Amino acid sequence: AQSVTQLDSHVSVSEGTPVLLRCNYSSSYSPSLFWYVQHPNKGLQLLLKYTSAATLVKGINGFEAEFKKSETSFHLTKPSAHMSDAAEYFCVVSLGNEKLTFGTGTRLTIIP
Amino acid sequence: DAGVIQSPRHEVTEMGQEVTLRCKPISGHNSLFWYRQTMMRGLELLIYFNNNVPIDDSGMPEDRFSAKMPNASFSTLKIQPSEPRDSAVYFCASRSGTDTQYFGPGTRLTVL
Repeated sequence: AQSVTQLDSHVSVSEGTPVLLRCNYSSSYSPSLFWYVQHPNKGLQLLLKYTSAATLVKGINGFEAEFKKSETSFHLTKPSAHMSDAAEYFCVVSLGNEKLTFGTGTRLTIIP
Repeated sequence: DAGVIQSPRHEVTEMGQEVTLRCKPISGHNSLFWYRQTMMRGLELLIYFNNNVPIDDSGMPEDRFSAKMPNASFSTLKIQPSEPRDSAVYFCASRSGTDTQYFGPGTRLTVL
């Protein structure tokens, strides 16, 4: 069985400050992990993915995530938030890239 | 590349009516996925196809839901009869091999 837990349902940060969205996973085997972003009334867009290569994964729009097996975590970070980053973010786990299991999402609000 | 195309983008219907949602995957992709997103349950996988063949439909809520993929470039998700609790955003996603899933913009269904 596999699952993901997004530890915060809502995160607010000021523009220009760092972003940290937390995700813990549970998987019997080596998982693939993803972060997707959903802007209001839009579909889901892939930010980045981890598939057992480098543990630090760089994605689009300045986001990156670090896979920490010892902590079963895959937190998403960005050094400096931009207003356009306001969206819902989903941490996702998959075994063998088959079925995706989504977290409950974290809504990111950027304060001007 | 036009990406995954879904139609209609919005559908409002009355309880008991038949609803058909349509999806055109990215050309060359051999897997197609149908998801449902609600506030209560988040994102759930309903069914997925490999090479036009349904592989796992365990997420389909009940017999009122059916999905077909008559060819590599088209899939439908049908609800008959529809009920108010079917109101949700329905996403289609496609992928090539074991690559990343790419999502369409979704169909927002409202059943009155």
